[in-house]
Amino acid sequence: QKEVEQNSGPLSVPEGAIASLNCTYSDRGSQSFFWYRQYSGKSPELIMFIYSNGDKEDGRFTAQLNKASQYVSLLIRDSQPSDSATYLCAVGTGANNLFFGTGTRLTVIP
Amino acid sequence: DARVTQTPRDKVTEMGQEVTMRCQPILGHNTVFWYRQTMMQGLELLAYFRNRAPLDDSGMPKDRFSAEMPDATLATLKIQPSEPRDSAVYFCASGSEGWGYTFGSGTRLTVV
Repeated sequence: QKEVEQNSGPLSVPEGAIASLNCTYSDRGSQSFFWYRQYSGKSPELIMFIYSNGDKEDGRFTAQLNKASQYVSLLIRDSQPSDSATYLCAVGTGANNLFFGTGTRLTVIP
Repeated sequence: DARVTQTPRDKVTEMGQEVTMRCQPILGHNTVFWYRQTMMQGLELLAYFRNRAPLDDSGMPKDRFSAEMPDATLATLKIQPSEPRDSAVYFCASGSEGWGYTFGSGTRLTVV
């Protein structure tokens, strides 16, 4: 079982809609959770991080963490074509490693 | 704007040759990761350092790969001898616990 699992997609949403990206992880001792965005041919770029259960909002982005269910999600409100990218979930484990999921490819259709 | 600097940007080499990739982390960051990214495997953790000490390199094929951090401004990843299956983009990322991690622009390695 992989440390971090994501639906590879592709996920397509119309412009202006809410995109919902999900991630599950296997290590119950995981402490920190990150969402990165990666455009084709570019390096991953940090969007948000979350450490506590609940929601964390930053502009159009909301990260949600449920440690009991070992689940973290990213919501993108008012999706724009420029949001089209691969979104990577990363989890910092109890051993302080940082493992990535394989990413979900998001396409926002104008 | 603080950035993680990786060199070279692109490297093409012949099988069997030694390859060295370099990373200059952001000043003040105490953690450095090395990742390899391929279409098939995604981002694979190879090694990481905290305060220059290697903490985990279990993801790295030790017979040919080595990672070092000779000082706080330089991390290196070496492959000797290189093989075609090593072709990938190698990323370095630096950060501090609690603040997230910044990636460099990567080294695209092609072994022919």
